[in-house]
Amino acid sequence: NAGVTQTPKFRILKIGQSMTLQCTQDMNHNYMYWYRQDPGMGLKLIYYSVGAGITDKGEVPNGYNVSRSTTEDFPLRLELAAPSQTSVYFCASSYKPAGGQEETQYFGPGTRLLVL
Amino acid sequence: GQQLNQSPQSMFIQEGEDVSMNCTSSSIFNTWLWYKQEPGEGPVLLIALYKAGELTSNGRLTAQFGITRKDSFLNISASIPSDVGIYFCAGPSGTYKYIFGTGTRLKVLA
Repeated sequence: NAGVTQTPKFRILKIGQSMTLQCTQDMNHNYMYWYRQDPGMGLKLIYYSVGAGITDKGEVPNGYNVSRSTTEDFPLRLELAAPSQTSVYFCASSYKPAGGQEETQYFGPGTRLLVL
Repeated sequence: GQQLNQSPQSMFIQEGEDVSMNCTSSSIFNTWLWYKQEPGEGPVLLIALYKAGELTSNGRLTAQFGITRKDSFLNISASIPSDVGIYFCAGPSGTYKYIFGTGTRLKVLA
């Protein structure tokens, strides 16, 4: 298993440009998450999904969009990049059985985004 | 909203020393997670705690779920240079989400 993979690893955007951060997991996890981590800070939840076709906002969703058309993929879309979106973005996934407790979150290696 | 406060924010220690850090919440948790993040990598789960008072070890790491359910502690014994990194606590926020602390940055001097 590759686990959680993210592409690209690093990207520079100009203000107003758009891009999609890709996230794929091969563990058949039903839950997937997008976090951002600003320098010296913890992780802030942007969006999450509890299964294909189901997404919901986290703590800091403004300026982002997500979709979950398959179990494996959970792309994050930035439509109009702003300097405030300069950050490191982490995707994570986990498995929660029906009626059971959510298991460990596995994180990808991150995408470093710089908006100038 | 819920907040997780970690202390200390950073630590510089000598190799071989023991390390203690803690995490406090403004609300009660039924799960505590401890992660380690190395430079340029995503967080990796170290220990998960599911019961108040629970004490769990993973090698040289030991974590405890506080009796009040509002705090948790992580200890590292006999630190080595590869222990360097940022240690995060995390707890559930609602049914599907987790919140993370701001991290404790550990540097080990050989």
